[in-house]
Amino acid sequence: NAGVTQTPKFQVLKTGQSMTLQCAQDMNHNSMYWYRQDPGMGLRLIYYSASEGTTDKGEVPNGYNVSRLNKREFSLRLESAAPSQTSVYFCASSPRGTTEAFFGQGTRLTVV
Amino acid sequence: DAKTTQPTSMDCAEGRAANLPCNHSTISGNEYVYWYRQIHSQGPQYIIHGLKNNETNEMASLIITEDRKSSTLILPHATLRDTAVYYCIVRVIGGGGADGLTFGKGTHLIIQP
Repeated sequence: NAGVTQTPKFQVLKTGQSMTLQCAQDMNHNSMYWYRQDPGMGLRLIYYSASEGTTDKGEVPNGYNVSRLNKREFSLRLESAAPSQTSVYFCASSPRGTTEAFFGQGTRLTVV
Repeated sequence: DAKTTQPTSMDCAEGRAANLPCNHSTISGNEYVYWYRQIHSQGPQYIIHGLKNNETNEMASLIITEDRKSSTLILPHATLRDTAVYYCIVRVIGGGGADGLTFGKGTHLIIQP
């Protein structure tokens, strides 16, 4: 049982490049989330998806887009990367009606 | 969501009980107390949650005061692998419960050998 899987684990981008962070869960959870974590900080919610076909903005959505491709997959896209987006990105999922979230191992993104 | 206050850091000797406090004086009647931890470089891990009764699972115990304005997470026999940042989060559960968790800076618990 893999839980929440994120790819890639590490990425270096040049300013202005685009990329998509992938996330998949195999627990049949309805809700999925993307967070970012900057050094010494707690996690901040970027976007979330309550169910397949729906997405909503979190605390820090600017510069990002998301796609809930199906129940398993929730991707995060950076259209034009900026150094301020250097961070560790975590994907999470949770069952409907609970806040017991399961997190992936993170994607460490550096924008130079 | 109610705001929480936690100490920035704490030490505990290996094998002893680690008691992590959390203040949430503005908690509402329908808000639960959740605890997560984050071991260095890993994703956060759910530990336990409760509404007003004390809770225990294989990882920890959660003690919530009668007025619900504070709580304590107890790791009964701390090991070096329990060194992590521990987050106390207060959250309503309802509807889809899907608008995410608000993480503060947490408590950095260091288990000393």
